Amino acid sequence: GDSVTQMEGPVTLSEEAFLTINCTYTATGYPSLFWYVQYPGEGLQLLLKATKADDKGSNKGFEATYRKETTSFHLEKGSVQVSDSAVYFCALSVHGSSNTGKLIFGQGTTLQVKP
Amino acid sequence: DGGITQSPKYLFRKEGQNVTLSCEQNLNHDAMYWYRQDPGQGLRLIYYSQIVNDFQKGDIAEGYSVSREKKESFPLTVTSAQKNPTAFYLCASGGMPQTYGYTFGSGTRLTVV
Repeated sequence: GDSVTQMEGPVTLSEEAFLTINCTYTATGYPSLFWYVQYPGEGLQLLLKATKADDKGSNKGFEATYRKETTSFHLEKGSVQVSDSAVYFCALSVHGSSNTGKLIFGQGTTLQVKP
Repeated sequence: DGGITQSPKYLFRKEGQNVTLSCEQNLNHDAMYWYRQDPGQGLRLIYYSQIVNDFQKGDIAEGYSVSREKKESFPLTVTSAQKNPTAFYLCASGGMPQTYGYTFGSGTRLTVV
């Protein structure tokens, strides 16, 4: 079936460090891929997305590239700030499967950035 | 501005009581979803609706009920049959989720006292 696997957290970094949060997926059809961010006590916000292979999504200094050959969509940022501390969710939506129209979420990865 | 509104933000319930969480969207989205989130955990799908007057159970529907009488509204009732209802509840909507993903509300934190 369709699924998303994220690296376990928490990930703890110092300010200005490089961030990678790994996300891999399995899909029965042609997925679109998403990264969401959740700040404490809030709902999820769409951070970036990619709808076909080799697309790169980017927003607020974050980037992720849709890699079909490795079934991955790793989130990266060159220099994190304390304000980036949040939970990050990777998700997919598969065209032409029993999950059509639904997003499948990973378990979330907590990022803590220390000054 | 278009968006999705959940109310109330905090809700307290006595054991044995039913309680209804509100979710309203003005995005003209066909589909709406309810998720439960426990501390340090991911999202678990409770119910979803892809069209008015129709809804389907998600992974953890027991002890919950929903209705979808209007496109804009998808209220969730937490019944007394839900054994452990204390959690953070998130509502979401989607127009073309495979292209645009979901839009989420800000959540309702339910506590049983």
